[in-house]
Amino acid sequence: EVQLVESGGGLVQPGGSLRLSCAASGFTFSSYWLHWVRQAPGKGLVWVSRINSDGTTTTYADSVKGRFTISRDNAKNALYLQMNSLRVEDTAVYYCARESYNWNDFSPWGQGTLVTVSS
Amino acid sequence: DMQMTQSPSSLSASVGDRVTITCRASQSISNYLNWYQQKPGKAPKLLIYAASSLQSGVPSRFSGSGSGTDFTLTISSLQPEDFATYYCQQGNSIPITFGQGTRLEIK
Repeated sequence: EVQLVESGGGLVQPGGSLRLSCAASGFTFSSYWLHWVRQAPGKGLVWVSRINSDGTTTTYADSVKGRFTISRDNAKNALYLQMNSLRVEDTAVYYCARESYNWNDFSPWGQGTLVTVSS
Repeated sequence: DMQMTQSPSSLSASVGDRVTITCRASQSISNYLNWYQQKPGKAPKLLIYAASSLQSGVPSRFSGSGSGTDFTLTISSLQPEDFATYYCQQGNSIPITFGQGTRLEIK
């Protein structure tokens, strides 16, 4: 079964840092582009970042550029999101997702991990 | 950034109804349009990719159409498990953007 499982969320103060992880199984991890998408409580979906299959190309939403870093370890089948200088507005459920058919479409998604930025 | 506008924002319908949700892009996105279903507390699920291709395992009552700037998601006969929020998403340009969502509720 193709599966993505996020971890690493939690409560952090404004200005703090957090590293999210996404463990993958059931597919050839090193062949796929991967993305992070977030959803603030009660709000819609917002794309955050993507990384290509070998980790050499990364792209970010303007709202997180310079603060967040996406990376991957193909030997460990793991995706990461290092989040620095966190703001209250970064509070959201963070999902990792696999790009499925080269249409920048996402399937599957992980179950999500909640990041709360609050003092 | 590419703006994606869904309509309606919410919709009440009954089991067995035919339902159509529309999504409009602020510029042409060819057929780089995907549809997702999200139930409360769950991750989104891909329904349709490339505007009209049905994701494996998704019931055939779901269909998508359109190209350029105007797209539709149609559910031919609503089932109880279809009551959820639906999002369109464009994959034509970065940043990838989603519509604001359409909440489909039971009448």
